[in-house]
Amino acid sequence: GAGVSQSPSNKVTEKGKDVELRCDPISGHTALYWYRQSLGQGLEFLIYFQGNSAPDKSGLPSDRFSAERTGGSVSTLTIQRTQQEDSAVYLCASSPHRGASGNTIYFGEGSWLTVV
Amino acid sequence: AQSVTQLDSQVPVFEEAPVELRCNYSSSVSVYLFWYVQYPNQGLQLLLKYLSGSTLVKGINGFEAEFNKSQTSFHLRKPSVHISDTAEYFCAVNPYSSASKIIFGSGTRLSIRP
Repeated sequence: GAGVSQSPSNKVTEKGKDVELRCDPISGHTALYWYRQSLGQGLEFLIYFQGNSAPDKSGLPSDRFSAERTGGSVSTLTIQRTQQEDSAVYLCASSPHRGASGNTIYFGEGSWLTVV
Repeated sequence: AQSVTQLDSQVPVFEEAPVELRCNYSSSVSVYLFWYVQYPNQGLQLLLKYLSGSTLVKGINGFEAEFNKSQTSFHLRKPSVHISDTAEYFCAVNPYSSASKIIFGSGTRLSIRP
């Protein structure tokens, strides 16, 4: 597809269950970001992948959160033992840059997670 | 560390009126500056960005922003808004030295009244 694709668009899960959120970046984009957007809050940085380099995981809020990026393309964000405070929109973005700052990043429409 | 402050969480304006959305930032290092827009039920998209050169930056849909280094501000303006400008607007900074650190403000919801 032409843009960043995320799935599922909506997910309702029970507290304590694990969830996986998928991101398919724009073809050829080497940089990939995950952000979390909670109601009334800004975008909270979670994790950043750049090519084959070690990811910047400094934004992951707890060890229940993890992410991987296979083959430098598709990424999966996993939340284990979900809690109600994990309810948010999870946004994925990609960029064609090679580690340089100041580049535009392109967002998907997000995955809306509700933990009940 | 960097931070971005958008003081106005909501800004209601009448159609065809001018608007200014405020953004102030704090950073000990030089940063690039961005405005992103999120239309209802859509992902964020770039509105404009300041990298270097002229401090007045023009973006899409008639928006412009001015970088003021002394006041550490990057306010967004439009002289005449339309109903279609209804959206949430996010200011962001990105340090020169770190591609991964893009820090966003909490957003300003612009609502246009006919």
